[in-house]
Amino acid sequence: AQSVAQPEDQVNVAEGNPLTVKCTYSVSGNPYLFWYVQYPNRGLQFLLKYITGDNLVKGSYGFEAEFNKSQTSFHLKKPSALVSDSALYFCAVRSLYSSASKIIFGSGTRLSIRP
Amino acid sequence: DTAVSQTPKYLVTQMGNDKSIKCEQNLGHDTMYWYKQDSKKFLKIMFSYNNKELIINETVPNRFSPKSPDKAHLNLHINSLELGDSAVYFCASSRTSARTGTYEQYFGPGTRLTVT
Repeated sequence: AQSVAQPEDQVNVAEGNPLTVKCTYSVSGNPYLFWYVQYPNRGLQFLLKYITGDNLVKGSYGFEAEFNKSQTSFHLKKPSALVSDSALYFCAVRSLYSSASKIIFGSGTRLSIRP
Repeated sequence: DTAVSQTPKYLVTQMGNDKSIKCEQNLGHDTMYWYKQDSKKFLKIMFSYNNKELIINETVPNRFSPKSPDKAHLNLHINSLELGDSAVYFCASSRTSARTGTYEQYFGPGTRLTVT
């Protein structure tokens, strides 16, 4: 079965420190991986994706993610956290569904940046 | 201009009623989706349409019926509402990716449905 796991419900980081939000996946074939962010009472916003190519992917708002095939991980990172980064973050993986594809979302990680 | 819009934003109704949620996208995408987000923030796909054709139909009660009159619209009709239907429903759209899954999705602001 294809799945994605976010092992941490919550991550707390001081402003200015680096942050990492973890994601591991299990999928048949080549993984297509995504990160989305959800601010309170809003829809999800796309941050970045890995389809192929460089293992380090850069996205919106200074975020980046590193694809690690051997560890089946796609951790989200930022060198210096901002209070405004506080939100709910979702990792997602493409899953084949008969002749179509669907995105399976992780359970989400709440990122809290303290001033 | 709002890329993916949903109406209404809030919907409070009683058990047994029938209600609809509307979704429109102005991005020129030809794939649209409905997701349900429960109180624990779990997000699960319900349906997906590609060029008005239903391509993903998850295990959802048949009280839920999507309708896509054209590529820019995907509505969700719910019959005989139950307490467990209370959730936030998100519409999303993407470029033609239903079969390759390579394109990101753009989400609407959500419709918070409360069934009393």
